[in-house]
Amino acid sequence: AQSVTQLGSHVSVSEGALVLLRCNYSSSVPPYLFWYVQYPNQGLQLLLKYTTGATLVKGINGFEAEFKKSETSFHLTKPSAHMSDAAEYFCAVSEGSSYKLIFGSGTRLLVRP
Amino acid sequence: DAGVIQSPRHEVTEMGQEVTLRCKPISGHNSLFWYRQTMMRGLELLIYFNNNVPIDDSGMPEDRFSAKMPNASFSTLKIQPSEPRDSAVYFCASRGQGLGGEQYFGPGTRLTVT
Repeated sequence: AQSVTQLGSHVSVSEGALVLLRCNYSSSVPPYLFWYVQYPNQGLQLLLKYTTGATLVKGINGFEAEFKKSETSFHLTKPSAHMSDAAEYFCAVSEGSSYKLIFGSGTRLLVRP
Repeated sequence: DAGVIQSPRHEVTEMGQEVTLRCKPISGHNSLFWYRQTMMRGLELLIYFNNNVPIDDSGMPEDRFSAKMPNASFSTLKIQPSEPRDSAVYFCASRGQGLGGEQYFGPGTRLTVT
């Protein structure tokens, strides 16, 4: 069965520091992987996705993620945090013909001035 | 494109009342999902439709919950009777055809049952 684990329910960084949000998945077939962001009182917005091809995926707002099959990971990074990046981030996996997304429990990113 | 539209954005009701949440998916999308989000349980998939047909309703908590999709541009999630533990934010999302497609989420309906 598919599952997603996000390490750290809360991550705090200083403005300008590196952002690293961790995501590990389990899947019996090549997965499709997604990162979503949720700002307060809003729906989830797609940041980036990996389907096939290049394992380093660039998304919106300067975020990127790297698919590492050997580590079953899809960590999200951003070189320099902005105050506006404060939000909750969700990693999700989808398998093959299934339309369902399996979401992680989310990581709340706090950005300190 | 207007994105996924949900109404109402906020709903406050008394225990025992019927609640109907509405969703208009993105035009051309053929899959629709209903989720519930709470602090305790996080994001839960309740039900999803493909081409207006319910495919998986295993996440629907109990018989008080029902969902319909009478056509490609409209879906409802109904709770009857509502209970305080149903208080949550309910999201609708839609997806186009093809493998690996992302879901697009609506802004959600915040339901409070007193």
